Amino acid sequence: EPEVTQTPSHQVTQMGQEVILRCVPISNHLYFYWYRQILGQKVEFLVSFYNNEISEKSEIFDDQFSVERPDGSNFTLKIRSTKLEDSAMYFCASSQGSRNYGYTFGSGTRLTVV
Amino acid sequence: SQQGEEDPQALSIQEGENATMNCSYKTSINNLQWYRQNSGRGLVHLILIRSNEREKHSGRLRVTLDTSKKSSSLLITASRAADTASYFCATANNNDMRFGAGTRLTVKP
Repeated sequence: EPEVTQTPSHQVTQMGQEVILRCVPISNHLYFYWYRQILGQKVEFLVSFYNNEISEKSEIFDDQFSVERPDGSNFTLKIRSTKLEDSAMYFCASSQGSRNYGYTFGSGTRLTVV
Repeated sequence: SQQGEEDPQALSIQEGENATMNCSYKTSINNLQWYRQNSGRGLVHLILIRSNEREKHSGRLRVTLDTSKKSSSLLITASRAADTASYFCATANNNDMRFGAGTRLTVKP
């Protein structure tokens, strides 16, 4: 069964550093998403991406965050100048369409900011 | 807000019993989806019900949707210990899907 792959599985970074979280969506999917889950809390929507541009973003997704699809397979989330409160699980997902399609999620990257 | 809110927050049952989880939301939606998350793992898509559907089945899962009450329920029949997980409803409007806080289900053997 096709999978969404995320790397690394765990990233530890110093406060103030930049991190890039990587995702390889399912190859025939057209829509891509990032979510985050702070430990013990709800899964929060960050951003959706289609046709090489952001289609929706939440209030969490401020100037500190950016997304990119640098080539035909990768989808990245960059967090500039990380803060302690950015520590969370970050999940990438993809779907075939924008309406009435389930999302396939990756296993997540656990980001720890120290 | 668009996102769903699940009820109860936690549910503990014996193997073989049925588990019912509820979800309420506040805005209009294209569809409502249920996901499962094992501790520390990714989310697994279980079932999607469109806004014009009222009930859907998949194996031991039964989902209902009442758009007039803005609520949905997920029923797991004949539960197994392996069903122990957190279950989330997610409401979708175009490219924006939001999750509720989840129901933590524990099925005791």
